[in-house]
Amino acid sequence: NAGVTQTPKFRVLKTGQSMTLLCAQDMNHEYMYWYRQDPGMGLRLIHYSVGEGTTAKGEVPDGYNVSRLKKQNFLLGLESAAPSQTSVYFCASSYGAANGKETQYFGPGTRLLVL
Amino acid sequence: KQEVTQIPAALSVPEGENLVLNCSFTDSAIYNLQWFRQDPGKGLTSLLLIQSSQREQTSGRLNASLDKSSGRSTLYIAASQPGDSATYLCAVRRSDYKLSFGAGTTVTVRA
Repeated sequence: NAGVTQTPKFRVLKTGQSMTLLCAQDMNHEYMYWYRQDPGMGLRLIHYSVGEGTTAKGEVPDGYNVSRLKKQNFLLGLESAAPSQTSVYFCASSYGAANGKETQYFGPGTRLLVL
Repeated sequence: KQEVTQIPAALSVPEGENLVLNCSFTDSAIYNLQWFRQDPGKGLTSLLLIQSSQREQTSGRLNASLDKSSGRSTLYIAASQPGDSATYLCAVRRSDYKLSFGAGTTVTVRA
């Protein structure tokens, strides 16, 4: 049982390049989330999904797209990377949002540097 | 918009001392509040979750209290150990699925 895994662990991009971050969970969770963490700002929600085939915008969605084609995977895409997207990206998942099911389990993070 | 603040940003204590970490939030209409631990270069691990109807939760040496009306939560860690050194984050959840995080308090426990 690996929990939540993220690929890659670290990446350097040039401005304007694109990339996809992969999140996978093996806990059969319905809900999945993408956050970014910047120094002194805490985590901010980018996009989330409440089930396979569904996605929704979070607090800071601009410049990102997501897809949830399979229940266990949640992809985060950057179509044209900008230096402002330099951050640490965390994926999380949970069973749901009801009592007893809402604890979120986090992946180890992806460090992204955009030059 | 929900604002979550954690003060102080950093804390250093000798081993054995009790830790008191503070979290405040601006909107009292919360669904629950969670405390997380984050080790350097790692993801977050959930420590305690307090429902809005609860006043406190306990797990081993950890105790978290919630005063919704004043917009405050406190995490107590008894008899701190060097292994407790980490960043502790609180997060509040509104009625939707979204968590609002504080920036965290980085704790160093000196041996």
